[in-house]
Amino acid sequence: EDQVTQSPEALRLQEGESSSLNCSYTVSGLRGLFWYRQDPGKGPEFLFTLYSAGEEKEKERLKATLTKKESFLHITAPKPEDSATYLCAVQALSGFQKLVFGTGTRLLVSP
Amino acid sequence: DVKVTQSSRYLVKRTGEKVFLECVQDMDHENMFWYRQDPGLGLRLIYFSYDVKMKEKGDIPEGYSVSREKKERFSLILESASTNQTSMYLCASSPPDWDRDNEQYFGPGTRLTVT
Repeated sequence: EDQVTQSPEALRLQEGESSSLNCSYTVSGLRGLFWYRQDPGKGPEFLFTLYSAGEEKEKERLKATLTKKESFLHITAPKPEDSATYLCAVQALSGFQKLVFGTGTRLLVSP
Repeated sequence: DVKVTQSSRYLVKRTGEKVFLECVQDMDHENMFWYRQDPGLGLRLIYFSYDVKMKEKGDIPEGYSVSREKKERFSLILESASTNQTSMYLCASSPPDWDRDNEQYFGPGTRLTVT
């Protein structure tokens, strides 16, 4: 069974304090790994797709990396507006377009 | 930009009522999805559709049905609402399966409370 585990569940950072969020996964053939950002009471907002081990993608203060077992979302010099829940999801080669989501990491960045 | 809209942000219904949640996307996407999101359980797939009038069950279809009469519109129906269907409901759409960049785009969500 495809599975995604995110850690930590919650993370509190000071503004400017860089850190990383982890997404560990097991999947029967990875088609893609997706990162989303979700603000309270809103729908998830797409950030990145990673397709193969070694791939990296960046957007502003965020950088996503992928290995064969896990993905990291690195946040460099975060700002309070980066506070949100970050969701990771995997799509299997055989699963049509079904996404299996983790339960997310709640990030709070204090000024 | 892809836009996915949902008919209501907040909805309060009584047990036993029939409930309709509507979703519309403006990107001519083939695929549409309905999820529910609950604390500690994450997003779980209820139903999806890969074409007009086509539907497939997701992981938790019990108590729900769907309708897709037009490409841009996907409806979720709670035949007889129950309190355990109180949740945040999220609609998503995506390009066809053969497109490598097939990320799903989500609507703002409907917070449904069943009393």
